[in-house]
Amino acid sequence: DQQVKQNSPSLSVQEGRISILNCDYTNSMFDYFLWYKKYPAEGPTFLISISSIKDKNEDGRFTVFLNKSAKHLSLHIVPSQPGDSAVYFCAASSSGTYKYIFGTGTRLKVLA
Amino acid sequence: DSGVTQTPKHLITATGQRVTLRCSPRSGDLSVYWYQQSLDQGLQFLIQYYNGEERAKGNILERFSAQQFPDLHSELNLSSLELGDSALYFCASSPRGLAVYNEQFFGPGTRLTVL
Repeated sequence: DQQVKQNSPSLSVQEGRISILNCDYTNSMFDYFLWYKKYPAEGPTFLISISSIKDKNEDGRFTVFLNKSAKHLSLHIVPSQPGDSAVYFCAASSSGTYKYIFGTGTRLKVLA
Repeated sequence: DSGVTQTPKHLITATGQRVTLRCSPRSGDLSVYWYQQSLDQGLQFLIQYYNGEERAKGNILERFSAQQFPDLHSELNLSSLELGDSALYFCASSPRGLAVYNEQFFGPGTRLTVL
């Protein structure tokens, strides 16, 4: 049972436009969510996080939105840059479990 | 560079064999996590150690075991290897382990190929 789902395996966006990556989860106990970026031949790199007490968190060009009722989060990248081309993973956890459940990733390609 | 090191980078072995993957966390980080990434799959959480003690277990097979040593480095042992064990194995570390609200720093991974 995949508790964290990224239903779009890939996404192409023009440079300067907005990239929206989506993530759905099924476990209502999840209360902390993270996004990671992964370049080929490297480990994932932490990007941004959000706890369930918030519905938005912003860090520069990156904003994460959380819709708890829909069990959905999204990562917005504005403006998108060619260097943002990577695989993006969302991850979720719940207090006290110490486990992070990752989605399968979305490959973002930003076209120059 | 995340500060997490993993050795070896690549490992090729045969079915039935046993291998050990090694991870050194960032200086000062007490928690170590192990993940497996198979082809087209997300990162599957295997196990977490905090300051030498097992803290959480995920989908780790009985053929796999791990430990964290007093110097905080960790080893993941994979035995009776099968073709399906071929994957990227990532180690991650974080400063704490008693609270879930902290990011993890990932190593570059070890690519295991079982022939």
